[in-house]
Amino acid sequence: ILNVEQSPQSLHVQEGDSTNFTCSFPSSNFYALHWYRWETAKSPEALFVMTLNGDEKKKGRISATLNTKEGYSYLYIKGSQPEDSATYLCALANAGGTSYGKLTFGQGTILTVHP
Amino acid sequence: NAGVTQTPKFQVLKTGQSMTLQCAQDMNHEYMSWYRQDPGMGLRLIHYSVGAGITDQGEVPNGYNVSRSTTEDFPLRLLSAAPSQTSVYFCASSKRISGANVLTFGAGSRLTVL
Repeated sequence: ILNVEQSPQSLHVQEGDSTNFTCSFPSSNFYALHWYRWETAKSPEALFVMTLNGDEKKKGRISATLNTKEGYSYLYIKGSQPEDSATYLCALANAGGTSYGKLTFGQGTILTVHP
Repeated sequence: NAGVTQTPKFQVLKTGQSMTLQCAQDMNHEYMSWYRQDPGMGLRLIHYSVGAGITDQGEVPNGYNVSRSTTEDFPLRLLSAAPSQTSVYFCASSKRISGANVLTFGAGSRLTVL
């Protein structure tokens, strides 16, 4: 069982603050690192998938970076808005056979943005 | 497109009863999987399939069966429900594009076993 850890577990910020979370994972046999956003009463939705060391992805105010050598990824939110409140999940896919589609999820970071 | 459709959305069972959670996708995705979500545990993989006729176990397969007779459908069967199977279940599908296998999730099925 792979150990994917996210920190912090929860985060409260004020509207306009910038924030970031961490996802740590074992770097051996790495294939891809996913980030999903999960709003209350909805299903998780994909934000980014990164496969190469040094990858950086951006979507609006949200961006992510990947370091496969040291086994971590950062998710950044610039100028947080109340609608950014959600649980942010990272998930690891390992190489080998059909493992590329088997994702191991972290426990998530719960972000609450206060107006 | 409907995406990934799960039924039922809610179900209450008694210990020992059996049931099937249905999952269908209309995106011609080769890969389908079932996860369960429990408080403090994140999403854990139960079973997955890389194509019709091919299934394999995930992290927590005990007490569950799956089959994949068509590309579109991937039902999850609870053989003899136990209170430990009280959870929210998510079906997901994906297709490998440019090396990435991004999951599309269904709306979830909340199961309570008494």
